[in-house]
Amino acid sequence: GAVVSQHPSRVICKSGTSVKIECRSLDFQATTMFWYRQFPKQSLMLMATSNEGSKATYEQGVEKDKFLINHASLTLSTLTVTSAHPEDSSFYICSARYRNGNTIYFGEGSWLTVV
Amino acid sequence: TQLLEQSPQFLSIQEGENLTVYCNSSSVFSSLQWYRQEPGEGPVLLVTVVTGGEVKKLKRLTFQFGDARKDSSLHITAAQPGDTGLYLCAGAQGGSEKLVFGKGTKLTVNP
Repeated sequence: GAVVSQHPSRVICKSGTSVKIECRSLDFQATTMFWYRQFPKQSLMLMATSNEGSKATYEQGVEKDKFLINHASLTLSTLTVTSAHPEDSSFYICSARYRNGNTIYFGEGSWLTVV
Repeated sequence: TQLLEQSPQFLSIQEGENLTVYCNSSSVFSSLQWYRQEPGEGPVLLVTVVTGGEVKKLKRLTFQFGDARKDSSLHITAAQPGDTGLYLCAGAQGGSEKLVFGKGTKLTVNP
């Protein structure tokens, strides 16, 4: 299957700082990527849809000024958590639509811990 | 309201047993995907079904998409400890790029 890679896999940051998570489609171009958040023992919660060359579409209740998404190229989307707080600690996962079809592949996920 | 209802939520069985996980909705989906996720990792795609009534097999796993494209099932034959994980169904509705996820089925296969 296609490969989607996230970096970093784990990051610890201090409260009040910003942290950036990258999502790359390694062997295909992705005009659409998605960012999810997952709490322990729960399913995935969609945060936003990232569209190459345009602004991201955020789900209701997700602060766009706090979770900045940039989809600057067809193989890279980034999620920046700004002014991070301990409650932002979570598992963040990205996914990418494969060749605009029905199949969506996920990255390995990124653990964020805010201390 | 959960758009995709998965059942059971938890399932603990012995090695060698068979099991079925269900994914139901009152809405029609243009496609439905099944993923398996292990703790601390991203979901891994198992299968995509797009045609009503479609049946796909992946070794000991059999996936079925309902005729009306509102429901799906995953059947595992002779489960093994390596099948342990969180199974997620996710559906895409026509015209929408977003995947809607079920809450998942946490499967534990005991040796």
